[in-house]
Amino acid sequence: EDQVTQSPEALRLQEGESSSLNCSYTVSGLRGLFWYRQDPGKGPEFLFTLYSAGEEKEKERLKATLTKKESFLHITAPKPEDSATYLCAVRTYYGGSQGNLIFGKGTKLSVKP
Amino acid sequence: NAGVTQTPKFRVLKTGQSMTLLCAQDMNHEYMYWYRQDPGMGLRLIHYSVGEGTTAKGEVPDGYNVSRLKKQNFLLGLESAAPSQTSVYFCASSEPPGSTTGNSPLHFGNGTRLTVT
Repeated sequence: EDQVTQSPEALRLQEGESSSLNCSYTVSGLRGLFWYRQDPGKGPEFLFTLYSAGEEKEKERLKATLTKKESFLHITAPKPEDSATYLCAVRTYYGGSQGNLIFGKGTKLSVKP
Repeated sequence: NAGVTQTPKFRVLKTGQSMTLLCAQDMNHEYMYWYRQDPGMGLRLIHYSVGEGTTAKGEVPDGYNVSRLKKQNFLLGLESAAPSQTSVYFCASSEPPGSTTGNSPLHFGNGTRLTVT
């Protein structure tokens, strides 16, 4: 069974304190790994797509990396406005809904000033 | 460019009542999806559509029906609401995977918060 597991469930950082969020996956055939940001009362907002092991993507203070078993979302010198829930999702080659994403439960990040 | 728009934003139903959630997208996407999000469960796929006039079941389809009469609209219906259907419902759309635009991420609306008493 395809699974996506995110850790930790919650993370509290001080402003400027860098850290990483983890997304480990077990899938039959990875077609893409996606990172989303979700603010309270809003829908998930797309951040990155990673396709193959060794790939990296960056956006402002965020950097996503991918290995054959997991992905990391590195946050460098975070600011309070980076506080949100970060969701990881995978798309596989198999199954009836080939457009569908399988989501992890998310990591809730809080950055205190 | 509004993206994905969901109506209503909030709704309270009594057990046994029916309602329809509306999703509209202006990105000309072929694929559309309905998810529900519950605390501790993550996002789970209810139904999806790969084109106008087509629908298919996702992971948790029981108690829901959908229709895709127009490419830009995807409706989610609850015929007889139950308290277990209390949730936040998200609609999303995307290009087909493998299209020229890349691996086609899903674009989400801002959700409908439904409470069934």
